[in-house]
Amino acid sequence: TQLLEQSPQFLSIQEGENLTVYCNSSSVFSSLQWYRQEPGEGPVLLVTVVTGGEVKKLKRLTFQFGDARKDSSLHITAAQPGDTGLYLCAGSIQGAQKLVFGQGTRLTINP
Amino acid sequence: DTGVSQDPRHKITKRGQNVTFRCDPISEHNRLYWYRQTLGQGPEFLTYFQNEAQLEKSRLLSDRFSAERPKGSFSTLEIQRTEQGDSAMYLCASSPYKTTTQETQYFGPGTRLLVL
Repeated sequence: TQLLEQSPQFLSIQEGENLTVYCNSSSVFSSLQWYRQEPGEGPVLLVTVVTGGEVKKLKRLTFQFGDARKDSSLHITAAQPGDTGLYLCAGSIQGAQKLVFGQGTRLTINP
Repeated sequence: DTGVSQDPRHKITKRGQNVTFRCDPISEHNRLYWYRQTLGQGPEFLTYFQNEAQLEKSRLLSDRFSAERPKGSFSTLEIQRTEQGDSAMYLCASSPYKTTTQETQYFGPGTRLLVL
């Protein structure tokens, strides 16, 4: 059973389009993190969200934490080929130190 | 500013051999974590340390796996009598410990293990 469900698992779009990746759970998380991972490398942190309803922007990327802290989304505006990669959401449940990861969304932006 | 480092980056071994991986966390990060990632999946938690104390181990960590952090700085992960199912990327992460809440974890580049 996957504690964090990411959708879609694969996404291939044209440069300039917008996209949204979702991360859903039935569990409440004290914080949620988004990472991007290149082939053969470790995950690189993009953002951490901790407050229900929180919205954070990182250039063309917008991250939102659900009000109930059970879900999150990543929205990319005007996608570029450099955005290609594996996007992972990961959360920590209250009182636990370990991160629980989604299975990832493999994003391909075609020029 | 150095991040988390792992050594080696790649390891090919034959089934039944022992392997050891090393992780150097970001300096002054008290917490150190090991995860395993198989192809097409997100990382899965194996174990974590606060300073030199190993505070949690996953059920994924069988008796053939052992992790240490003897001086509260670098950590080693050893796999004895490797099996083909151990083939995966082994990731190390570290985080500071400032409060009782979970802190952001920063990952190393990983060690990719292939067991033949």
